[in-house]
Amino acid sequence: GIQVEQSPPDLILQEGANSTLRCNFSDSVNNLQWFHQNPWGQLINLFYIPSGTKQNGRLSATTVATERYSLLYISSSQTTDSGVYFCAVVRRYSTLTFGKGTMLLVSP
Amino acid sequence: GAGVSQSPRYKVAKRGQDVALRCDPISGHVSLFWYQQALGQGPEFLTYFQNEAQLDKSGLPSDRFFAERPEGSVSTLKIQRTQQEDSAVYLCASSLSGTSVNEQFFGPGTRLTVL
Repeated sequence: GIQVEQSPPDLILQEGANSTLRCNFSDSVNNLQWFHQNPWGQLINLFYIPSGTKQNGRLSATTVATERYSLLYISSSQTTDSGVYFCAVVRRYSTLTFGKGTMLLVSP
Repeated sequence: GAGVSQSPRYKVAKRGQDVALRCDPISGHVSLFWYQQALGQGPEFLTYFQNEAQLDKSGLPSDRFFAERPEGSVSTLKIQRTQQEDSAVYLCASSLSGTSVNEQFFGPGTRLTVL
């Protein structure tokens, strides 16, 4: 099956710093989503981005499908950004394959 | 409803008990998915419905796991004779149509603890 690798596995930031999270995938995909899992376990949709670039406030994402990677940018990080960030892709049918996630801690 | 809902939010079962987990997808969503998330891991696929048809159950870990969606809306994931290794968060997701390009939306999950 398709492999999804996320880096870094853990990240500690001071409030106000910027960061880039990376997602590599091993085969072509029909769909790619970024999620934020908050401390209560809820998966919050950040971006649906099989290709191209999107921005939403302090967050933006870029997927280069031909090179099989996606990047999530977080600018001016806040303590509420803490949690686990997952990249997930669809290869066949509609089932998502998730990476192991990046755990982000933003300290005040 | 406004989003995907799941019940119960927490379930504690003694080993050997049967449990039933419920998922209410977003109204009108054709596709429904179940995922299992172990502690410290990403969610892993269990099974997939398009309307009432179960199109893929390749992720179910054993024949103790059974899922249904009889009227194409609400779904139930049943685990028979629960084991400690079944302890996990069970997540339900739905998407608008049956194609692979639709965004999936997740419920809050049911945290199952088997003692």
